[in-house]
Amino acid sequence: DGGITQSPKYLFRKEGQNVTLSCEQNLNHDAMYWYRQDPGQGLRLIYYSQIVNDFQKGDIAEGYSVSREKKESFPLTVTSAQKNPTAFYLCASSIDGAGDYGYTFGSGTRLTVV
Amino acid sequence: AQSVTQPDIHITVSEGASLELRCNYSYGATPYLFWYVQSPGQGLQLLLKYFSGDTLVQGIKGFEAEFKRSQSSFNLRKPSVHWSDAAEYFCAVGPGYSSASKIIFGSGTRLSIRP
Repeated sequence: DGGITQSPKYLFRKEGQNVTLSCEQNLNHDAMYWYRQDPGQGLRLIYYSQIVNDFQKGDIAEGYSVSREKKESFPLTVTSAQKNPTAFYLCASSIDGAGDYGYTFGSGTRLTVV
Repeated sequence: AQSVTQPDIHITVSEGASLELRCNYSYGATPYLFWYVQSPGQGLQLLLKYFSGDTLVQGIKGFEAEFKRSQSSFNLRKPSVHWSDAAEYFCAVGPGYSSASKIIFGSGTRLSIRP
């Protein structure tokens, strides 16, 4: 079955470390997105990519980086510059960059700074 | 600018009772509207979507939503809730024919079910 796979499900990071969250989709979707979710704050867009080798900053891009070298993959790196990285991270994809048909979401990665 | 408001942060209903979750949007063109559900520690699942046509939209798990342009609303309803409906619900508005290229999500409504 087609879908989005996020790994790992749980991730622990020490202060000052960079960590990379994986997001892979086999839906043949053009666009992919990363959201951060904190309790009571809904979803906040970090980065999105409408096509391969292109991506744009979302509302809270500082301290994060992404790449889109393959259509199927959109990894997110949480750098040491992100002051409060503990959160639930969701990856999503859509058929095209317009997102008119809605998004398909992965099951998320919970990142905790220890 | 487009926006979505979910006025209720938390709602508790009794099992078997009816449910209505409110959603208001602000959008300059014909909106595409969505409702998603999120169980704890999981991703979001699409319940239903409105693009055009019939303003009453049927979704999965017995949910429906009605688009009311005059009220800028897209409320989610279910005639009889089950304990398994306890979750967080997100309303979202899509870019439609604009070039915004991303969906805007509301802040969510947490639904609790009273036995």
